[in-house]
Amino acid sequence: DAKTTQPTSMDCAEGRAANLPCNHSTISGNEYVYWYRQIHSQGPQYIIHGLKNNETNEMASLIITEDRKSSTLILPHATLRDTAVYYCIARTSGTYKYIFGTGTRLKVLA
Amino acid sequence: NAGVTQTPKFQVLKTGQSMTLQCAQDMNHEYMSWYRQDPGMGLRLIHYSVGAGITDQGEVPNGYNVSRSTTEDFPLRLLSAAPSQTSVYFCASSYQREAYEQYFGPGTRLTVT
Repeated sequence: DAKTTQPTSMDCAEGRAANLPCNHSTISGNEYVYWYRQIHSQGPQYIIHGLKNNETNEMASLIITEDRKSSTLILPHATLRDTAVYYCIARTSGTYKYIFGTGTRLKVLA
Repeated sequence: NAGVTQTPKFQVLKTGQSMTLQCAQDMNHEYMSWYRQDPGMGLRLIHYSVGAGITDQGEVPNGYNVSRSTTEDFPLRLLSAAPSQTSVYFCASSYQREAYEQYFGPGTRLTVT
């Protein structure tokens, strides 16, 4: 599975879009990109995943570059409750292992 | 649905003791897994199961055993606790074997002295 690189921390103003980048320059064609978040000490929460196309659900949007070497998770209107650690994971289709890194600590400021 | 439940919430063990962390889900999920999270770190996969009777090792399996005799339950056994196993343990499950969307339990905080 490809290694992912994320900034250690980011701040975002409440009500603004939070754009969280992830670099996965060694990703292969059958590796999906997943995003999870962990609020305080709770269990992680699934956000979204994608392979090539951009994806959107009720929580967020995932933008994957055409060369698939990087992606951005977008929280369109960040709230204080979005303060969390966000994990970007690349995982090969057909395998069952997730490799979590240390993630990006997002702080939403009032 | 109760979702993914874990017991106990907190546990203190002495070095060398054994114990079982319980994990159960009532969503008829095929895939279940165990992770540990050390302070300031991401999660690391210990063991996982893609169905009853099928288990496999993750990144850090040493010192832990698992079994999956039913779809609902996936207990994690610590054979001989060591201080290095002090951590927060999370259980997760997913409907598909591919585990696209994993649901996590609330965690068990384990301290080994």
